[in-house]
Amino acid sequence: NAGVTQTPKFRILKIGQSMTLQCAQDMNHNYMYWYRQDPGMGLKLIYYSVGAGITDKGEVPNGYNVSRSTTEDFPLRLELAAPSQTSVYFCASNPGGWYGYTFGSGTRLTVV
Amino acid sequence: GENVEQHPSTLSVQEGDSAVIKCTYSDSASNYFPWYKQELGKGPQLIIDIRSNVGEKKDQRIAVTLNKTAKHFSLHITETQPEDSAVYFCAASKGDYKLSFGAGTTVTVRA
Repeated sequence: NAGVTQTPKFRILKIGQSMTLQCAQDMNHNYMYWYRQDPGMGLKLIYYSVGAGITDKGEVPNGYNVSRSTTEDFPLRLELAAPSQTSVYFCASNPGGWYGYTFGSGTRLTVV
Repeated sequence: GENVEQHPSTLSVQEGDSAVIKCTYSDSASNYFPWYKQELGKGPQLIIDIRSNVGEKKDQRIAVTLNKTAKHFSLHITETQPEDSAVYFCAASKGDYKLSFGAGTTVTVRA
């Protein structure tokens, strides 16, 4: 049971480039989330999804896009990367309700 | 949205002593309060959680207390060990499945 798998683990982007952060879970969870973690700031919600075909904005969605075509996958797209998007990105999932999240191991992104 | 404040930001304790981390939340509708432990280079991992209909929950050396009136909840770690060194995050949810996180507490257990 792999849980939540994120790829890549590290990436350096130049300003203006685009990329997709991949996230896959094998627990058949309906709910999936993308958070970013900045030093001393905790985790901020970027986007979330309550099921295939349904996505919604979180607290800090600007500069990002998501899609959810299957229950398993929830990719995060960065268009026109900016230095402010330098962060560690975590994908998480849960079955909904009062259940804790299962997090992936994160993607460390640097935009230069 | 929900605002969760966490204190202290860093905590250094002697091995065997207790550690306490406190969080306050702003939205009285919040009803689920998990705690996560994050080790270096890894994603956060759920260690304990509590729901609003419970005042206290314990799991071995870890306990969480909730005061709904004051809108604060705390994590207590007893008999700390070196492997307890990590960053700890509190979080709160209104049952809409979205968690709002505190800024984190870096705990260092001195041998």
